[in-house]
Amino acid sequence: EIVLTQSPATLSLSPGERVTLSCRASQSVSSYLAWYQQKPGQAPRLLIYDASNRATGVPARFSGSGSGTDFTLTISSLEPEDFAVYYCQQRSNWPRTFGQGTKVEIK
Amino acid sequence: EVQLLESGGGLVQPGGSLRLSCAASGFTFSSYSMTWLRHAPGKGLEWVSTINSGGGITSYADSVKGRFTVSRDNSKNTQYLQMNSLRAEDTAIYYCAKGGWDSHFDPWGQGTRVTVSS
Repeated sequence: EIVLTQSPATLSLSPGERVTLSCRASQSVSSYLAWYQQKPGQAPRLLIYDASNRATGVPARFSGSGSGTDFTLTISSLEPEDFAVYYCQQRSNWPRTFGQGTKVEIK
Repeated sequence: EVQLLESGGGLVQPGGSLRLSCAASGFTFSSYSMTWLRHAPGKGLEWVSTINSGGGITSYADSVKGRFTVSRDNSKNTQYLQMNSLRAEDTAIYYCAKGGWDSHFDPWGQGTRVTVSS
């Protein structure tokens, strides 16, 4: 099983700040990595697929990068609606696995 | 617009069974794989099962293998999750999602809550 490790666990930030979230895989997942956003009481929403492709309707302030074992989700300037939990997920191998999540909270 | 609507959740005793349904609309259901995922209280997201577009190939998490069975009826645009021998650790919100076999999960339904407790 591929283990995805996200860091940090929690980020306390202010609106307008730049955010960088990390996801590291225990073995190469090529570019088969996604990022999801989940807000309280809502289902997760796909933000980035295959490492660097924005999903339909996702604002341009969200970007993804990386390949192999190291990946990054960047939010260029935090909006109030971006405070949420972010998960990475790989589709390179079965079972499909998720990171434990990074919570972005208001400072 | 793609819509996924889960149903069938509820309270069940340990050892009991439930059947979840996911009704899909807004896309050609028979052309896409479908997935079940879950989110247990205080824990992260967990992939449960994926079924291919034709329904003939399935994959399961080890935690549910032998107890859960995924299926689909392409004539009804619906996928199912039959859950048997339920345990307390199966308590979670269960989501269905489009894709999963050769794509990421997009979109997700709103989820149905399953509680396993005596």
